[in-house]
Amino acid sequence: QQQVKQSPQSLIVQKGGISIINCAYENTAFDYFPWYQQFPGKGPALLIAIRPDVSEKKEGRFTISFNKSAKQFSLHIMDSQPGDSATYFCAASKSYTGGFKTIFGAGTRLFVKA
Amino acid sequence: KAGVTQTPRYLIKTRGQQVTLSCSPISGHRSVSWYQQTPGQGLQFLFEYFSETQRNKGNFPGRFSGRQFSNSRSEMNVSTLELGDSALYLCASSLEKRGKVPNEQFFGPGTRLTVL
Repeated sequence: QQQVKQSPQSLIVQKGGISIINCAYENTAFDYFPWYQQFPGKGPALLIAIRPDVSEKKEGRFTISFNKSAKQFSLHIMDSQPGDSATYFCAASKSYTGGFKTIFGAGTRLFVKA
Repeated sequence: KAGVTQTPRYLIKTRGQQVTLSCSPISGHRSVSWYQQTPGQGLQFLFEYFSETQRNKGNFPGRFSGRQFSNSRSEMNVSTLELGDSALYLCASSLEKRGKVPNEQFFGPGTRLTVL
C-alpha cells in the first residue's frame, strides 16, 4: 500500500518529441504528488506538483496528468530538449497532524537525442 | 537564500567503521529528512526530524541513526558500515507554516559514501 510504481525505467526521446513517464500508487490517503528532476552529481529538484483535486497542471513544457479513480499520474514533457536529459522521480506524499511521509518511485532515466 | 548544504560531499570508509554526515537546512526550515539513494532503488526514506525530535522513521536497521540540533542542522550516523551501505545520502528540508505546502521538500546535493 505504500509503494509508488514508476515506468519506464529508461526513456530515449528525439529532440522536439514528447516524453511521458507514468506512476501508479495504491494508498488513497496521499494528498500531494510531486515530480523531481535530478542531474548527475546533484540532489533532486522539485519540478512540478499536483494535488488530487486537480486533474491536470501545466508549467511551461511540463504537465502532470492525474487520474484519481485509476490512482495514476503522469509527467509529460513537451518539445523535449537535450537539457531535459536527467533522472525523473515521481512521489506521493501524505500529510497528517505532526508531519508527513513521502514515497518515491524508482526513477526514470530520460535521454533526449539532439 | 542559501539552499540545503551537506558535508562532506564524498566519503570513503572501510567495512566496520562508522560515519557521520551533516546537513544544514534552508534557513527557517525546521523539518529535515534523510534518504538513501542507490541505483535501481530510488530514494529510500531513513528518518525525519522536526524541532530536534524524530517524527518518522523508515525501515532501516538500528545502525542508522540521526539527530537534529536546536538550529535545525541535522546529522546522521551509520555504525559498523557494510558494503551495501554504499550510496548517495540525501538530506531534504521543508518549511512547515500555515498556508504553505508542508511536504514540499528541498534537497541538498548529497554525500556520496563508498564502503570498501
